[in-house]
Amino acid sequence: GENVEQHPSTLSVQEGDSAVIKCTYSDSASNYFPWYKQELGKRPQLIIDIRSNVGEKKDQRIAVTLNKTAKHFSLHITETQPEDSAVYFCAATFTGGGNKLTFGTGTQLKVEL
Amino acid sequence: NAGVTQTPKFRVLKTGQSMTLLCAQDMNHEYMYWYRQDPGMGLRLIHYSVGEGTTAKGEVPDGYNVSRLKKQNFLLGLESAAPSQTSVYFCASRYIGGVREQFFGPGTRLTVL
Repeated sequence: GENVEQHPSTLSVQEGDSAVIKCTYSDSASNYFPWYKQELGKRPQLIIDIRSNVGEKKDQRIAVTLNKTAKHFSLHITETQPEDSAVYFCAATFTGGGNKLTFGTGTQLKVEL
Repeated sequence: NAGVTQTPKFRVLKTGQSMTLLCAQDMNHEYMYWYRQDPGMGLRLIHYSVGEGTTAKGEVPDGYNVSRLKKQNFLLGLESAAPSQTSVYFCASRYIGGVREQFFGPGTRLTVL
């Protein structure tokens, strides 16, 4: 089945700095790559996604890049703020019915004042 | 719209007991999913459904059963609970069309003693 690896598992940055989280996937047929943010005790919520026909997508301070050849994609957060502190999950679709997602193991981002 | 709701929010079971978790969505979504979330392991797919009356196995289906008798509801059953099933369970749903975001419920925290 699909395998998604996510790094780093923890990331600590100073407020205002940038944060980068990287993921690799195994299924070359994967065509949809969402990123979810999960605050403590809350549900995962989509923050940005990208489809395989696009190399980069940006939404204000958040951007995602995709390299299909290398099978990796990254989340970039600029000008980090304390409210960015959360666990971030990458995911990728894998083949078979139901548009199933395989998730990475998560990155705990801490933005320090 | 309530979105995706889950019942109950918390539950403690003894080994061998059974229970059913209910997921309901009011967005007329075709696809529904059950995940479990364990520390350091991200979200893993248990079972999913692509429409009323259909179900299929995900990545970690053993020990669980599901039913989708009505489009808006997706039930997850544990016939004989084991301590290894202690986890946070999330339900998600998504539209069948172009918008591919999975919307998550608030989660059910289950402890099996």
